[in-house]
Amino acid sequence: SAVISQKPSRDICQRGTSLTIQCQVDSQVTMMFWYRQQPGQSLTLIATANQGSEATYESGFVIDKFPISRPNLTFSTLTVSNMSPEDSSIYLCSVEEGSPYIYGYTFGSGTRLTVV
Amino acid sequence: LAKTTQPISMDSYEGQEVNITCSHNNIATNDYITWYQQFPSQGPRFIIQGYKTKVTNEVASLFIPADRKSSTLSLPRVSLSDTAVYYCLVGANTGFQKLVFGTGTRLLVSP
Repeated sequence: SAVISQKPSRDICQRGTSLTIQCQVDSQVTMMFWYRQQPGQSLTLIATANQGSEATYESGFVIDKFPISRPNLTFSTLTVSNMSPEDSSIYLCSVEEGSPYIYGYTFGSGTRLTVV
Repeated sequence: LAKTTQPISMDSYEGQEVNITCSHNNIATNDYITWYQQFPSQGPRFIIQGYKTKVTNEVASLFIPADRKSSTLSLPRVSLSDTAVYYCLVGANTGFQKLVFGTGTRLLVSP
């Protein structure tokens, strides 16, 4: 299965600043996904990133707040902009493994963000 | 995607068998049932998938009754390291499908 490297693993940031999270996959993948997991909660999909096109955002998430880049088939970044304490969460990237499983997705270990 | 309902939490002891049931009353004909496991400070990990009857792998078994409105994840002889959150997801292979995570079941295994 794919191996995902996510950086940084954790960070503490001042409110009003921005943080860019990197996701590197060891194989080429069509789609990459970004999730948010608030403390003690389940995962919520932020957006889907296709190489060569604009990311598709889920309801409640906007590009100005969470700009995403997808420069090639193995890499993506998520920026959390103008941060507030409410943005304190774990952010995870994910890729679809495909066959033989329909929902065989692999996740990175996540970036634990604390905004103070 | 069909909505799923799971118990919020379960407790067990080492060596016991744990069965986590997921309800998915609105499952569609072409939907599959998939379970993920998430340890603290890690991303979710795919553990098993099935369509009907029983599926078994090295980690768990998945039991799906004929009406497919529920499914049961069975973990044999759990250990402390099985303490995690377990998510049940339901959806179809009709092109790209977004993962929609429910609340999951928080399993705590004690000595």
